Amino acid sequence: AQSVTQLGSHVSVSEGALVLLRCNYSSSVPPYLFWYVQYPNQGLQLLLKYTTGATLVKGINGFEAEFKKSETSFHLTKPSAHMSDAAEYFCAVSGEGGYNKLIFGAGTRLAVHP
Amino acid sequence: DVKVTQSSRYLVKRTGEKVFLECVQDMDHENMFWYRQDPGLGLRLIYFSYDVKMKEKGDIPEGYSVSREKKERFSLILESASTNQTSMYLCASSPRTEAMNTEAFFGQGTRLTVV
Repeated sequence: AQSVTQLGSHVSVSEGALVLLRCNYSSSVPPYLFWYVQYPNQGLQLLLKYTTGATLVKGINGFEAEFKKSETSFHLTKPSAHMSDAAEYFCAVSGEGGYNKLIFGAGTRLAVHP
Repeated sequence: DVKVTQSSRYLVKRTGEKVFLECVQDMDHENMFWYRQDPGLGLRLIYFSYDVKMKEKGDIPEGYSVSREKKERFSLILESASTNQTSMYLCASSPRTEAMNTEAFFGQGTRLTVV
């Protein structure tokens, strides 16, 4: 069965600093990988996704992620954090078992301080 | 834009009540999902549906049932609410694709408190 591990339930950075949120996955089939963001009291919004092709994926709000098959990783980065990036971030995997089911990690809460 | 609408943002129910959470999507998606979100556990799949009147159990179906009588509507039912079902519930939809590589679109969530 597919699974996702997000390292670090809380990450804190200074405004302007690099953001790095870690995601490792397990899958018996070629995975499709997603990052979602959740702002307080809202649903989830897609940041970016990897399906096939280029392993470096660019998303909204300046985020990007790189699919590394050898490391079974899909880490999310942003060169310079902004206060508005404070939110919870979820990594998800699909592709196994059909029906576009997404399997989520536990989430990482990002805090950005001045 | 895809819109997934959940009927309530906040609900407070009493233990033992039958509770209905409603979800409607406007993009003619075949797949619909109900997730439960709890701190430190992420989102866990309760049930999903890939067609009208079709449903499949997810990872944590106990204590829940679902109904999909129309393509655009997917209901989550708590037959007899208990305090351990206090949580955030998120509905999502996605189109059916052979490659199974599309993202899901989420509603705003319903925060349910069972007292």
